[in-house]
Amino acid sequence: EVQLLESGGGLVQPGGSLRLSCAASGFTFSTNAMAWVRQAPGKGLEWVSAISGSGGSRYYADSVRGRFTISRDNSKNTVYLQMNSLRAEDTAVYYCARRPDGGWRFDLWGRGSLVTVSS
Amino acid sequence: QSALTQPASVSGSPGQSITISCTGTSSDVGGYNYVSWYRQHPGKAPKLIIYDVTNRPSGVSNRFSGSKSGNTASLTISGLQAEDEADYYCSSYTSGSTLVVFGGGTKLTVL
Repeated sequence: EVQLLESGGGLVQPGGSLRLSCAASGFTFSTNAMAWVRQAPGKGLEWVSAISGSGGSRYYADSVRGRFTISRDNSKNTVYLQMNSLRAEDTAVYYCARRPDGGWRFDLWGRGSLVTVSS
Repeated sequence: QSALTQPASVSGSPGQSITISCTGTSSDVGGYNYVSWYRQHPGKAPKLIIYDVTNRPSGVSNRFSGSKSGNTASLTISGLQAEDEADYYCSSYTSGSTLVVFGGGTKLTVL
């Protein structure tokens, strides 16, 4: 089955760190660019970060640049999002998504992982 | 405030057609044919329904269609069904430092 499964979310204090993982299955992972998109409670979607299939190109939204790092391990079919210096406004459901053909659409989404930043 | 502007809500009766607009600038919607539309039911992940302005992914009903004129993209849903009641988001590639922008979302109510 073609799917993405996020893990690693939870409650963290402001200033803390968390690493999200997204395990892919059912498709050729290494040839697909990937991305993270988040959604704050009751709010709209916000693109966070993207990475090319090889991992050689990485992109970030202004709101997370310098604090978040995207990476991937093609031997494990997994993409990661390392989140440092977390703020209350980073509280959201984080979705992993596939970017086929290196384009700017997201055609496969995971179920999401909730990250709550609170003291 | 979202980078792309969508109406907060639209409504229609079963069988009718509705259109949702998505207004940006020449740096995003107007400058590139990378507009996508997503449908999201409550508590669920978004689903891609239109990409590159007018294209439908395999398996998406032909009741969904997309278009663009200048800096405004539009999603039209024809033959409204109860299952179409959901939130709809547009997105676009942008030449700004944040490469992808989303609209604020439109809640579609099927009366």
